[in-house]
Amino acid sequence: QQQVKQSPQSLIVQKGGISIINCAYENTAFDYFPWYQQFPGKGPALLIAIRPDVSEKKEGRFTISFNKSAKQFSLHIMDSQPGDSATYFCAASKRDDKIIFGKGTRLHILP
Amino acid sequence: ETGVTQTPRHLVMGMTNKKSLKCEQHLGHNAMYWYKQSAKKPLELMFVYNFKEQTENNSVPSRFSPECPNSSHLFLHLHTLQPEDSALYLCASSQVQGYGGYTFGSGTRLTVV
Repeated sequence: QQQVKQSPQSLIVQKGGISIINCAYENTAFDYFPWYQQFPGKGPALLIAIRPDVSEKKEGRFTISFNKSAKQFSLHIMDSQPGDSATYFCAASKRDDKIIFGKGTRLHILP
Repeated sequence: ETGVTQTPRHLVMGMTNKKSLKCEQHLGHNAMYWYKQSAKKPLELMFVYNFKEQTENNSVPSRFSPECPNSSHLFLHLHTLQPEDSALYLCASSQVQGYGGYTFGSGTRLTVV
C-alpha cells in the first residue's frame, strides 16, 4: 500500500514531442504528489508538485494531471527539448510521513 | 547549489577503512535524510532525522552509522564496507518530516575497493 508504481522505465521522444510519464498509488491517505528531475551527477530536484484537491497543475512546459478516483497521476512535458533528458521520479506522501518515490523513468529526447 | 552541500563529492575507500560523509544545509529545515542510489535501482531511504532525533532506520546494516549533531548538519560514518555498498549517497532536507518537498544535495559518489 506504500508503493508508488511508475511507468515506463525508459522513454525516447523526438524533440518537440510530448513526453508522458505515469504513476499509480494505492494509499488514499497520500496528500502530496511531487515530481523530481535528476541529471547525471546531480541529486534529484523538485520539479512540480500537486495536492489532490486539484486535477491539473501547469508550470511552463510541465503539467501534472491527477485522477483521484483512479489513484493515478502523470507528468506531461510539452515541446520536449534535449535539455529535458534526465531521470524523472514521481513520489507521494502523507502528513507527518516520509516521501515514497517511484523507481524512476529515464527520458531521452532525440535532437 | 541547491542549499544542501555534501562533501566529499567522490570517495574511494578500502573495505577496512573508516570514513565519514558530511551534509550541511542552510535552508532552516528541521528534517534531514540519507538515501542510497545504486545504478539502475530506485532511491533507497536509509535514515531520517526530525529535529535532530532519528525517526527512521530502514534496516540499514550497522556498518553505516548516522549522526545529526544539529538540524543543519548530518553525517554518515562508514566502516568495514563491502563492494556492494558502492553507490551515490544523497542527503536531503525538508522543512519538517512529512511536510513539503525535499531539497537534495548533489551526493557523494562512493567506491569501495
